[in-house]
Amino acid sequence: GAVVSQHPSWVICKSGTSVKIECRSLDFQATTMFWYRQFPKQSLMLMATSNEGSKATYEQGVEKDKFLINHASLTLSTLTVTSAHPEDSSFYICSADPRGSGNTIYFGEGSWLTVV
Amino acid sequence: AQTVTQSQPEMSVQEAETVTLSCTYDTSESNYYLFWYKQPPSRQMILVIRQEAYKQQNATENRFSVNFQKAAKSFSLKISDSQLGDTAMYFCAFVPGGTSYGKLTFGQGTILTVHP
Repeated sequence: GAVVSQHPSWVICKSGTSVKIECRSLDFQATTMFWYRQFPKQSLMLMATSNEGSKATYEQGVEKDKFLINHASLTLSTLTVTSAHPEDSSFYICSADPRGSGNTIYFGEGSWLTVV
Repeated sequence: AQTVTQSQPEMSVQEAETVTLSCTYDTSESNYYLFWYKQPPSRQMILVIRQEAYKQQNATENRFSVNFQKAAKSFSLKISDSQLGDTAMYFCAFVPGGTSYGKLTFGQGTILTVHP
């Protein structure tokens, strides 16, 4: 079946550096992908909608200059956390679905980011 | 905007017994879908069950069934014959149909523990 893959699963970076997380749809094309953030024991909060070939749409309160999203192809979206700080440490997870309302929504495995 | 509320932060049940997790939502949309996701310690999001709002019949998937009350905007999950592997965090989620499909709004989550 359709699979969404995320990489890396775990990443540790130093405060002030940038880190990139990839989200790939392996056997379907996704014009839209979604990025969520989840703090421990909390719910998933939508950060942004990644749109292929155009700018991402960010949710209120999410800094677009800090969380750069690029969706350069129909199978790949990347989230770059720029100038990371310890408070950015979290679980980041992406989702995508084959074109068409009502289709199954698939999630990546998620990426743990720890900023030290 | 829509909201999803899960009022039970934690629930516990004995193995082989039945448990019901509650979820209410609020929306002005007429076309939408509702989901229950399971998130085990691995953090992988696993789809448990899906309900299309236009369908009056409650969805069932083996031991999992929902009680969908559209007028009351209620969407509870019943787990029958609970198993130790059901221990996880459960999220109720809403997604509008049409062009906004895929953009999930999650409830706060319910931690379910199944005791032997």
